[in-house]
Amino acid sequence: ETGVTQTPRHLVMGMTNKKSLKCEQHLGHNAMYWYKQSAKKPLELMFVYSLEERVENNSVPSRFSPECPNSSHLFLHLHTLQPEDSALYLCASSQDYGAGVTQYFGPGTRLTVL
Amino acid sequence: GQQLNQSPQSMFIQEGEDVSMNCTSSSIFNTWLWYKQEPGEGPVLLIALYKAGELTSNGRLTAQFGITRKDSFLNISASIPSDVGIYFCAGLPETSGSRLTFGEGTQLTVNP
Repeated sequence: ETGVTQTPRHLVMGMTNKKSLKCEQHLGHNAMYWYKQSAKKPLELMFVYSLEERVENNSVPSRFSPECPNSSHLFLHLHTLQPEDSALYLCASSQDYGAGVTQYFGPGTRLTVL
Repeated sequence: GQQLNQSPQSMFIQEGEDVSMNCTSSSIFNTWLWYKQEPGEGPVLLIALYKAGELTSNGRLTAQFGITRKDSFLNISASIPSDVGIYFCAGLPETSGSRLTFGEGTQLTVNP
């Protein structure tokens, strides 16, 4: 398999559930990203990892917890979410973290919080 | 922070027509990227631009990095139904380090 893959593609969860989103990149990249995409809004950067170290954390609520066990895998752990967290969560990767590098996106996980 | 103004927000065209969309900002950008997103999928990179004035084509798509470094446009020639989707511009501002700024997207509908 090539590119950036995400599982699950769809997730429905209650506000008290705990779930995790998984992202895997098969491109040999060193940087990985989580974005939130809500209707009619620009993509919102949530977290960035470079060489498995978190390099950006953009005031994201603590109910979202990222994990990067190696340069190919990225997780987003979810707990006690709110209905307004319903969105498409996109993972991306790039060769390195730095100016001018192009990001490649996965297909996303469509999350619905009831 | 930096903002990208992408226009138009939506376009409804007939198959065979040419399409033009653009992104502008008050800030200077070092990189411009154009992505296409289809329903239920993530954005797919179409064209990347790294130099002011650069003009790059990818099949029927052509994009340019504005000479002022504050804008970029994407043209699609002879549109076909599979061009339907949301087109996003993204830019790397001169002052933002490594964080991409995204436009809100242009929703393109092509009528056969």
